[in-house]
Amino acid sequence: GESVGLHLPTLSVQEGDNSIINCAYSNSASDYFIWYKQESGKGPQFIIDIRSNMDKRQGQRVTVLLNKTVKHLSLQIAATQPGDSAVYFCAEKSSGNTGKLIFGQGTTLQVKP
Amino acid sequence: NAGVMQNPRHLVRRRGQEARLRCSPVKGHSHVYWYRQLPEEGLKFMVYLQKENIIDESGMPKERFSAEFPKEGPSILRIQQVVRGDSAAYFCASSPQGGIDTEAFFGQGTRLTVV
Repeated sequence: GESVGLHLPTLSVQEGDNSIINCAYSNSASDYFIWYKQESGKGPQFIIDIRSNMDKRQGQRVTVLLNKTVKHLSLQIAATQPGDSAVYFCAEKSSGNTGKLIFGQGTTLQVKP
Repeated sequence: NAGVMQNPRHLVRRRGQEARLRCSPVKGHSHVYWYRQLPEEGLKFMVYLQKENIIDESGMPKERFSAEFPKEGPSILRIQQVVRGDSAAYFCASSPQGGIDTEAFFGQGTRLTVV
């Protein structure tokens, strides 16, 4: 069945360091992947997305890498800041579904000053 | 995402009561998705609606839960005869269309507590 999961529940990094959050997915038919950031008491906020025909996409301070061979997705945050502290979710869509998102469990990122 | 409005933000209901959660999508968006998030878990898809139509309700419990998105007004997620296990955060997302790479914007959620 479909599932999207994360390797580590909590990641603690020093302010200024780079962060890497990983995600594994099981549906080889997934076409589209998104990373969301969720701060306490708020809804998910779009960070960056990537289509399955790409292996890397860069945004402002963030990079998403996709390895379809091993069905692995990662989010890299450069120069992590205290404001980056949140729960990060990967999510996927496949062209065969109705546009619904399938979310992973989430990784809590804690940034130490 | 600031454009999706959900109310109430917090809702407390006694067991057996009804809960009505409202979602006003971003202006001009005709596609609405509802998700449920249990504590310490990811969001789980419940239902996808387009104006006046339910497109995908594969994530909705078979009983007590219903959703609508009328031609006029907000989308409503209705939970009848609530039980403690219904306690969760319920999020609504909207998009202008239903394509695979169309970004969905989330609201701030309604936190339902059943006592």
